Amino acid sequence: GNSVTQMEGPVTLSEEAFLTINCTYTATGYPSLFWYVQYPGEGLQLLLKATKADDKGSNKGFEATYRKETTSFHLEKGSVQVSDSAVYFCALSYGGGSEKLVFGKGTKLTVNP
Amino acid sequence: GAVVSQHPSWVICKSGTSVKIECRSLDFQATTMFWYRQFPKQSLMLMATSNEGSKATYEQGVEKDKFLINHASLTLSTLTVTSAHPEDSSFYICSASAAGMSYNEQFFGPGTRLTVL
Repeated sequence: GNSVTQMEGPVTLSEEAFLTINCTYTATGYPSLFWYVQYPGEGLQLLLKATKADDKGSNKGFEATYRKETTSFHLEKGSVQVSDSAVYFCALSYGGGSEKLVFGKGTKLTVNP
Repeated sequence: GAVVSQHPSWVICKSGTSVKIECRSLDFQATTMFWYRQFPKQSLMLMATSNEGSKATYEQGVEKDKFLINHASLTLSTLTVTSAHPEDSSFYICSASAAGMSYNEQFFGPGTRLTVL
């Protein structure tokens, strides 16, 4: 079946550190891939997405590349800020007319000043 | 834009009672709304998809008679947990998709924490 596995948290970094949150997926066909972010007390927000192999999604300094050969969509940011503290969810939608989202468990990121 | 609210943000109820959770799209018309359930340290699990004016489509394993979903207008969907029991305690999240957008352009509410005693 379709599933998403992302690295266990929590992750704690100092400001300006490099961030990587790993995400791998299992899916039939060619899913679209997403990263959502949930700030404290708010709903999930779409951070970035990629709809086909080798696409790179980017937003707010974050980026992730759709790697079909490794079935991965790792999230990276070169220099994190305190305001990036949130929970990050990797997700896929398994198209083909059914565009429901399947989520990973989420990774909590805390950035200290 | 594209704000989704949920009410209440948290609720505590006694076992055997029913609880209603509202999900509203505040600044757009939501033709489709989704209800998710999230257990601690687990991913969001889709419970059902509802389209305005029609019956909800439930995911496998979700009891439709226990989790009643109504999507009577383009801005409001409700989830009623009937005869709630402690195992129904969870975090319930809704999302909404606007007409003209693909399903995966979903806008999420902040969630409702349900505790059944």
